[in-house]
Amino acid sequence: QKEVEQNSGPLSVPEGAIASLNCTYSDRGSQSFFWYRQYSGKSPELIMSIYSNGDKEDGRFTAQLNKASQYVSLLIRDSQPSDSATYLCAVRRGGADGLTFGKGTHLIIQP
Amino acid sequence: NAGVTQTPKFQVLKTGQSMTLQCAQDMNHNSMYWYRQDPGMGLRLIYYSASEGTTDKGEVPNGYNVSRLNKREFSLRLESAAPSQTSVYFCASREFGGEETQYFGPGTRLLVL
Repeated sequence: QKEVEQNSGPLSVPEGAIASLNCTYSDRGSQSFFWYRQYSGKSPELIMSIYSNGDKEDGRFTAQLNKASQYVSLLIRDSQPSDSATYLCAVRRGGADGLTFGKGTHLIIQP
Repeated sequence: NAGVTQTPKFQVLKTGQSMTLQCAQDMNHNSMYWYRQDPGMGLRLIYYSASEGTTDKGEVPNGYNVSRLNKREFSLRLESAAPSQTSVYFCASREFGGEETQYFGPGTRLLVL
């Protein structure tokens, strides 16, 4: 059974601080790793993708992957109230396989 | 360029009724997916189609059927709806072998009474 685990939160972070979101996965065959943001009542929106060990930065977002520990994280720097949402971690084995999602972490940025 | 579109946006069914959820994409993607999302849960894969003419079961296929009508369209059918199928259904598409990004439609909210 492929599983993706996330702390459901809520995670409350002051505006301007760094928000740190974590995710672990069980399937060692996973090749691709994603962070999606989902606002209430909306569809998921891709924030970051990462495929190899290490860090990947895009603007205020940094994704980190450690395949040996089966661990993925997302850092959001200079957090803004508009970052308040549920963040979904997702993994995929490869090919045309669909994504396996975690249950999501609810992030609240306090003004 | 509308991306991924889904119809209807919202539907109420009685137990035992049937319905088809429609999904279409205009990005010329090969692969399409159906997910369901229940309160407090992440998305779970129901069925997917790697390319036109092929379909495969995902994590939670029971009670559903799918049809890949052509490259653009991928429908999800509930033959005999059950209250356990009350959920939000998302369709997604992706270019198999290319960009990894999976693009999601706006979702269909289904309530089965």
